[in-house]
Amino acid sequence: EIVLTQSPGTLSLSPGQRATLSCRASQSVSSNYLAWHQHKPGQAPRLLIYDASSRATGIPDRFSGSGSGTDFTLTISRLEPEDFAVYYCQQYGSSPFTFGPGTKVDIK
Amino acid sequence: DVQLVQSGGGLVQPGRSLRLSCTASGLNLGDYAVSWVRQAPGKGLEWIGFIRSKAYGGTTDYAASVKGRFTISRDDSKNLAYLQMNSLKTADTAVYYCTRGRLRFDYWGQGTLVTVSS
Repeated sequence: EIVLTQSPGTLSLSPGQRATLSCRASQSVSSNYLAWHQHKPGQAPRLLIYDASSRATGIPDRFSGSGSGTDFTLTISRLEPEDFAVYYCQQYGSSPFTFGPGTKVDIK
Repeated sequence: DVQLVQSGGGLVQPGRSLRLSCTASGLNLGDYAVSWVRQAPGKGLEWIGFIRSKAYGGTTDYAASVKGRFTISRDDSKNLAYLQMNSLKTADTAVYYCTRGRLRFDYWGQGTLVTVSS
């Protein structure tokens, strides 16, 4: 099973700042099948990025994903008020598909 | 507009069974794989499993934590997918989500709370 580790656990930033979230896999993720989801309390998760760097439909271009192999990054170029949430990486390259523990982006 | 709508959650005693349903509007669910994900209170997201579309054999795969107890099925004539949960444990208490897709979870249901408690 691929274990995903996310850092930092919490990121305290102000609107307008840049957010850089890290996801590290215990072994190489096949075909870079790595997604990022945004999750707000009481809502369904929302797919942001798939295949490590492809933006999902309707996702603003301030969200970008990069990385390959075992190291992946989600960058939010300028935080908007609606971006404060928990972000999960998820690998779907090999079963069982696994999620990271999440990074909470909160308002400083 | 695509929507996945879930039903069937609630309070159930340990050892009992419960079935969750997931239906879709704005798309033919039969054309897609359906996956299930859960979130226990205060915890992160956990992948449960998926069912492929009939075109790809309708096969399933499960996480070890639910294998042998949970079954994912589908009734394409009704545009429905199901999560049958047997031998429920208190550790199964969570919000359960259905999602479209086997790999890329681009649409999610609203989530339904399952509480396993005596």
